[in-house]
Amino acid sequence: GNSVTQMEGPVTLSEEAFLTINCTYTATGYPSLFWYVQYPGEGLQLLLKATKADDKGSNKGFEATYRKETTSFHLEKGSVQVSDSAVYFCALRAGAGNMLTFGGGTRLMVKP
Amino acid sequence: DVKVTQSSRYLVKRTGEKVFLECVQDMDHENMFWYRQDPGLGLRLIYFSYDVKMKEKGDIPEGYSVSREKKERFSLILESASTNQTSMYLCASSSPDKGPGELFFGEGSRLTVL
Repeated sequence: GNSVTQMEGPVTLSEEAFLTINCTYTATGYPSLFWYVQYPGEGLQLLLKATKADDKGSNKGFEATYRKETTSFHLEKGSVQVSDSAVYFCALRAGAGNMLTFGGGTRLMVKP
Repeated sequence: DVKVTQSSRYLVKRTGEKVFLECVQDMDHENMFWYRQDPGLGLRLIYFSYDVKMKEKGDIPEGYSVSREKKERFSLILESASTNQTSMYLCASSSPDKGPGELFFGEGSRLTVL
């Protein structure tokens, strides 16, 4: 079956530090990959996505590249801000339909 | 502004009570989903619906049922609440024509079962 594995948190960084949150997946076929973000007290919202191998998704300074050879979709940001403190979820969609399989989530805490 | 609205942000119920969680979306989306979110486990799909009066089991349907009588509304029902159903419940909607895989989430309903 499909599965998504994320690094466990919390990840604690100082402001302006470089961020990497690892995500690897197992899927049949050729999945689309997503990063969702959940700010405190809110629902999840789509951060970025990539639909085929070597695609790079980007938004709000975050980037992730779809690496088929390593089945990975790591999230990166060059300089984090306090406002980036949230829980980040990696997810995939494989096959027909709109069902997503989510990873366990990684909490990011950015200190001033 | 597009919106998915969940009726209750916080609920406290007793074991054995029947619980209704309501979700309404104003985007005319065909697909609607109920997930539960637990620390370290991420989001797990309980039920989903691709159309009015249609429902499909997700990964963890036991102890839950759903109702979709109108396109915009998707209800999650706990027939007899148990303490292991204490969790955050998230409703989401999507449309296959408007960004496949892009889900729009409500703010969540945190249920505590005593």
